Amino acid sequence: GAGVSQTPSNKVTEKGKYVELRCDPISGHTALYWYRQSLGQGPEFLIYFQGTGAADDSGLPNDRFFAVRPEGSVSTLKIQRTERGDSAVYLCASSSLAGAATDTQYFGPGTRLTVL
Amino acid sequence: DQQVKQNSPSLSVQEGRISILNCDYTNSMFDYFLWYKKYPAEGPTFLISISSIKDKNEDGRFTVFLNKSAKHLSLHIVPSQPGDSAVYFCAASNDYKLSFGAGTTVTVRA
Repeated sequence: GAGVSQTPSNKVTEKGKYVELRCDPISGHTALYWYRQSLGQGPEFLIYFQGTGAADDSGLPNDRFFAVRPEGSVSTLKIQRTERGDSAVYLCASSSLAGAATDTQYFGPGTRLTVL
Repeated sequence: DQQVKQNSPSLSVQEGRISILNCDYTNSMFDYFLWYKKYPAEGPTFLISISSIKDKNEDGRFTVFLNKSAKHLSLHIVPSQPGDSAVYFCAASNDYKLSFGAGTTVTVRA
């Protein structure tokens, strides 16, 4: 079946602009996660959705970052007033159950964001 | 703060030999550990996991060992194959939130 998909695969923007990154999870997966991977580092947790609600947004770096999942499927990560330090690969993952440690998280290919 | 560390950024191994990847963690609350494999331009793919109640888990050519007292785990790949060339991430969790190491790039030489 189809895996997690993310669009766009690459996004180049200018400092100060607004961007939206989209994630389509595996069909039927109730849990959805966003991670950010900076150059030379492993992915870092940003936010976790269970259904439509953000159950944990403790990883969002500041209030310029916001994510939604209005119908419990597709999610959008929104970044306002982008800064050069926001440049990274943004990864989305989904899992089938209630977001326990043992639920395998399936990752999409990521969106590479470059802020000039 | 880096709670999961992979101190070897790269590893080169000859085809057919064993690859050993190491990972250390600092958070004693972690009770579930995973290895992910990543090819260029793709997302990380789950490889193998181990619960803190075990000290070894094997799946085909891949074996993960956990030493809780040392807060150390390792991944053994035997025998290494060219298709194993990738970046390997160690991850740890005690809930849904995965904490990743920085990764080890494995190159399998023919």
